[in-house]
Amino acid sequence: GQNIDQPTEMTATEGAIVQINCTYQTSGFNGLFWYQQHAGEAPTFLSYNVLDGLEEKGRFSSFLSRSKGYSYLLLKELQMKDSASYLCAVRDSNYQLIWGAGTKLIIKP
Amino acid sequence: ETGVTQTPRHLVMGMTNKKSLKCEQHLGHNAMYWYKQSAKKPLELMFVYNFKEQTENNSVPSRFSPECPNSSHLFLHLHTLQPEDSALYLCASSQELAPQNIQYFGAGTRLSVL
Repeated sequence: GQNIDQPTEMTATEGAIVQINCTYQTSGFNGLFWYQQHAGEAPTFLSYNVLDGLEEKGRFSSFLSRSKGYSYLLLKELQMKDSASYLCAVRDSNYQLIWGAGTKLIIKP
Repeated sequence: ETGVTQTPRHLVMGMTNKKSLKCEQHLGHNAMYWYKQSAKKPLELMFVYNFKEQTENNSVPSRFSPECPNSSHLFLHLHTLQPEDSALYLCASSQELAPQNIQYFGAGTRLSVL
């Protein structure tokens, strides 16, 4: 079966750095997406990785290792508004998006 | 604003009711999707439409009936639902079905079935 694993919940402090991990087992790989979803709002696109390595976009970075079936989302200089759920999704060989259950990130002052 | 609008935002219905969810995208996209999001579970893809044609039905019960009259509008018709159908229903769109295409989501309809 296909599976995406990410921690259910994480807590971090304002101004700090947090890394949210995502491991996947899918039938094939055609890219990995990270989305942010605030409570009661639409998921919004953060990043897309298809090649190994680090993609940096402002305070957010996303890393991919295809050989390890592993990705992480790195959030720097955390702000209270970063409190949200972070969803990892992998596109498989059939071009279906397989989603993780999401990681709820709680930022404390 | 993501360019994808869903109405209503909240819906409470009895098991014998018939209701419809509406999704409209203003992004000029050709592909549209319905997802079900239950608490602490991964998003479940329900239906996919590409250029108004249904390309995916993920074994969804017939009490859910999608309709796509044009590339900008998507409906989900509901009838004789069960309490376990209570969830957040999300609509999304993308330029096309290419692997790298980003899906843009609406804020969802929170459905409660009594």
